[in-house]
Amino acid sequence: AQSVTQLGSHVSVSEGALVLLRCNYSSSVPPYLFWYVQYPNQGLQLLLKYTTGATLVKGINGFEAEFKKSETSFHLTKPSAHMSDAAEYFCAVRGIGSARQLTFGSGTQLTVLP
Amino acid sequence: GAVVSQHPSRVICKSGTSVKIECRSLDFQATTMFWYRQFPKQSLMLMATSNEGSKATYEQGVEKDKFLINHASLTLSTLTVTSAHPEDSSFYICSASGREPWETQYFGPGTRLLVL
Repeated sequence: AQSVTQLGSHVSVSEGALVLLRCNYSSSVPPYLFWYVQYPNQGLQLLLKYTTGATLVKGINGFEAEFKKSETSFHLTKPSAHMSDAAEYFCAVRGIGSARQLTFGSGTQLTVLP
Repeated sequence: GAVVSQHPSRVICKSGTSVKIECRSLDFQATTMFWYRQFPKQSLMLMATSNEGSKATYEQGVEKDKFLINHASLTLSTLTVTSAHPEDSSFYICSASGREPWETQYFGPGTRLLVL
């Protein structure tokens, strides 16, 4: 079984400040990890994913995340927040077995203050 | 990235009627499609997984006779909400993926269903 915990259902940052969204996972096998962003009344857009290889993953819109196995974490960061980053962010984990479903965290609403 | 479309984007229906939602992968072959339900300000809840040409696998607590899923081709899956009731009102999102587990799930834009 696998699960995802996103610490902080709401995060507010000032425009230009560092964005840090936390994600911890639990998985009995090496996981595939994903971050998705959702704008109001829209589907999910993939920001980045970790499968194998380099643990620091770069995604779209200046976001990156680092897979830390020892901490079972996959936190999402962006050096400088932009107003357009305001959205809901979901961390997800997927097992490597026959079950290919994504297990989502509860989501973090990011607010960017002017 | 790959594109997944959903139709309709928004539907309003009367209680007791059935509603069909289409999910299409536009530029890749989706061996697997997933259907999710999302309540306001909540995460996505997986309803079912459908593999092309076979019966869908439903998550615990999801009524398969109420939420009929068909995945007849590698580019199309449909979700039919039968005898809809107001409590079925929700945001329904599909996603599509290739065969391998490391492949990304690409999400559709969602369908907002309101049952009166």
